[in-house]
Amino acid sequence: GAGVSQTPSNKVTEKGKYVELRCDPISGHTALYWYRQSLGQGPEFLIYFQGTGAADDSGLPNDRFFAVRPEGSVSTLKIQRTERGDSAVYLCASSTAGTENTEAFFGQGTRLTVV
Amino acid sequence: AQSVSQHNHHVILSEAASLELGCNYSYGGTVNLFWYVQYPGQHLQLLLKYFSGDPLVKGIKGFEAEFIKSKFSFNLRKPSVQWSDTAEYFCAVNAWANDMRFGAGTRLTVKP
Repeated sequence: GAGVSQTPSNKVTEKGKYVELRCDPISGHTALYWYRQSLGQGPEFLIYFQGTGAADDSGLPNDRFFAVRPEGSVSTLKIQRTERGDSAVYLCASSTAGTENTEAFFGQGTRLTVV
Repeated sequence: AQSVSQHNHHVILSEAASLELGCNYSYGGTVNLFWYVQYPGQHLQLLLKYFSGDPLVKGIKGFEAEFIKSKFSFNLRKPSVQWSDTAEYFCAVNAWANDMRFGAGTRLTVKP
């Protein structure tokens, strides 16, 4: 597609439920990033994929969060046993990282609300 | 991993005033530097970027930024702001082949 696509755009879930957030990056972009942005804060790094593998997952807050990118394109961020504190906008970005000069393109985000 | 500090949380200016937003990063190696802007209700958009070469970088909408390697800084400037510049501004750093880290952001309010 022309840009990074994230679905759904909004998700409301009950505390304790499981959610999946999808990111469809720009075609050909090998790098994919997930960030979480709370109100009034900058994007907080969660995980970075280079191809199919997670090159850096140091930003995942705990083991309830997991992300996959099985074919090196679409990625899914999975959150188990959601908590109210997980409410935020989850951003996905993609780039041709791995080369020296690159920039990341962002999707519109998924607004997750845990009630 | 690299970290990014933005000094100003909220800046309020009148139209036509000059703007400078501070950004410092901590990473000793070669970095790519970015400023992103987020208008109300919209997604992050790239304002400008620095990869190498001339440390004074010009971006869209009259913004520019200067990379000062010795100070680990990449401050954003605009000589004369407009009401439409009201937005959140984020500085970001990407070390080659590594992930990108963002500052906490600076909210700019321009009064008409």
